[in-house]
Amino acid sequence: EAGVAQSPRYKIIEKRQSVAFWCNPISGHATLYWYQQILGQGPKLLIQFQNNGVVDDSQLPKDRFSAERLKGVDSTLKIQPAKLEDSAVYLCASSLGGRGNEQFFGPGTRLTVL
Amino acid sequence: AQSVTQLGSHVSVSEGALVLLRCNYSSSVPPYLFWYVQYPNQGLQLLLKYTTGATLVKGINGFEAEFKKSETSFHLTKPSAHMSDAAEYFCAVSGDTGRRALTFGSGTRLQVQP
Repeated sequence: EAGVAQSPRYKIIEKRQSVAFWCNPISGHATLYWYQQILGQGPKLLIQFQNNGVVDDSQLPKDRFSAERLKGVDSTLKIQPAKLEDSAVYLCASSLGGRGNEQFFGPGTRLTVL
Repeated sequence: AQSVTQLGSHVSVSEGALVLLRCNYSSSVPPYLFWYVQYPNQGLQLLLKYTTGATLVKGINGFEAEFKKSETSFHLTKPSAHMSDAAEYFCAVSGDTGRRALTFGSGTRLQVQP
């Protein structure tokens, strides 16, 4: 079974530039999550999708971050414009959706903002 | 609302020694608890989880954890450390109702000395 795919793996940009990350979840997983992991911290939820609808985006900085999950499969996360404090690893995870179901994580995208 | 506290950002043990990583949680509903491991430049991998039932749960790679409601704890143990156990470990609690996203602790980096 293929895991969660993410691209790119690494990205370096200058502040005020734009960047986009892509995630392909495990086939059949209705729930998709984007987490931000700042160096030395645990992952923090940015947004949760159930199929193509948003369940929770309360911690998403909506003035600069946006995310979509067209057709309830792949998802993209965009930052525009980027700030220095956005330097982090962006993790995508997917699950079947139940509270006790395992979340499967992709390898992440490491973003460096200069 | 929920939160997780991991005591000790770094733990160092000798190969063959007991591993004990501490996790305390706060949750407004009966908690679902998880331990994940993260190797360098990789995503998170589930070690074990507690949902309901038996309070001692066994996971992969010889790890186990015990849910203690009275102490609001879910400490991770392994009787004998191996060099390959060196990694970052995260304790997490699942949200309730439709918000299944995980709330993570800040992580504990485990070093294993030869």
